[in-house]
Amino acid sequence: DAGVIQSPRHEVTEMGQEVTLRCKPISGHNSLFWYRQTMMRGLELLIYFNNNVPIDDSGMPEDRFSAKMPNASFSTLKIQPSEPRDSAVYFCASSFGTSGGSRTDTQYFGPGTRLTVL
Amino acid sequence: TQLLEQSPQFLSIQEGENLTVYCNSSSVFSSLQWYRQEPGEGPVLLVTVVTGGEVKKLKRLTFQFGDARKDSSLHITAAQPGDTGLYLCAGASPGNQFYFGTGTSLTVIP
Repeated sequence: DAGVIQSPRHEVTEMGQEVTLRCKPISGHNSLFWYRQTMMRGLELLIYFNNNVPIDDSGMPEDRFSAKMPNASFSTLKIQPSEPRDSAVYFCASSFGTSGGSRTDTQYFGPGTRLTVL
Repeated sequence: TQLLEQSPQFLSIQEGENLTVYCNSSSVFSSLQWYRQEPGEGPVLLVTVVTGGEVKKLKRLTFQFGDARKDSSLHITAAQPGDTGLYLCAGASPGNQFYFGTGTSLTVIP
């Protein structure tokens, strides 16, 4: 069975450029999460969707970050313009639950996208 | 401000030794999870504990949720090189906020 799929696996870009990260959740899952991991701040939740609707985006750093989930099988995280401090590994995770995205539902993580902004 | 502090931050031990990793907070959590993350991969859920004082065992791993639901521990018996990885605790607050801990990087030397 295919797990959570993320693309690209690695992205190197220059400051000011737009970056789009992509995620395909596990089929049948109804919640999707975007995380960012750095050495300094650890793993941080950026935003999560339930049934394609953004439920909590309080972790999104600033207006340069935006996330969309146009359908149940695809989500994007966009950074525009990118800055060096955005360099991190970005993870997408999905889960299935019946209680609106309960945090006890098992989350399945993708392999991550390593972003480097020069 | 980190709501979930893990200790130790780094741990290097010999194969066969026992170890305990701690996850502490001043906040109460409705549930707490433990994950293991290997290099180049995403975290993988090991266990979820929801009841204060709960103890769960997964082969050589023993997880305990504190009575007050503010802390947790992970004990590994007879560590093996395959246990090497980053161990993360994660807590769900009563308000459905979700936080990961600072992580413990474990290296088991053959």
